[in-house]
Amino acid sequence: DVKVTQSSRYLVKRTGEKVFLECVQDMDHENMFWYRQDPGLGLRLIYFSYDVKMKEKGDIPEGYSVSREKKERFSLILESASTNQTSMYLCASSLPGLAGGGSYEQYFGPGTRLTVT
Amino acid sequence: AQSVTQPDIHITVSEGASLELRCNYSYGATPYLFWYVQSPGQGLQLLLKYFSGDTLVQGIKGFEAEFKRSQSSFNLRKPSVHWSDAAEYFCAVGFTGGGNKLTFGTGTQLKVEL
Repeated sequence: DVKVTQSSRYLVKRTGEKVFLECVQDMDHENMFWYRQDPGLGLRLIYFSYDVKMKEKGDIPEGYSVSREKKERFSLILESASTNQTSMYLCASSLPGLAGGGSYEQYFGPGTRLTVT
Repeated sequence: AQSVTQPDIHITVSEGASLELRCNYSYGATPYLFWYVQSPGQGLQLLLKYFSGDTLVQGIKGFEAEFKRSQSSFNLRKPSVHWSDAAEYFCAVGFTGGGNKLTFGTGTQLKVEL
């Protein structure tokens, strides 16, 4: 089974702190994703990466950055945390897209619930 | 732009009753379709997927879904709901040329009454 792990289940940080959220997958997937999940808004894509050192902005990248130095690890960085970044953060991984450009299913980690006070 | 709609925010059913959760998408070509379930405080688990072929797909936990191209829908069904099915359900769609990304609906929260 694919396993995606996230470094923390719960995290409390203060406004202005630099925050690192770590994600590791063990299935040698090329693609990795970071989402935030808020009630009534579903999942919104922050960033994704399709290869080591490669990244693309998602729908809501402002206030976030990412790092992918190794294939299995994808980090989300909040340079200066703010209260409006309080949310559930979900990491996912997948194989590269199907021939013709479609998408394989994504496998998710358990999530990190971040509270910024 | 492509979009996914789950029109029901909350649904309540009695244990043993049948269930149908609705999902509609907006896209011109054949999409790649997924249903996920999220238990409280957990990540998302894949229930089933449709890429091509038979439009009725079977998934885990006794769920099935039917792709109806004419209605741009991919509704999730279960003939008899169990109390453990209480969770949030997300429909997701991948599009040709979508760059490996999925677009998620806003979710349907299922409550099961005993």
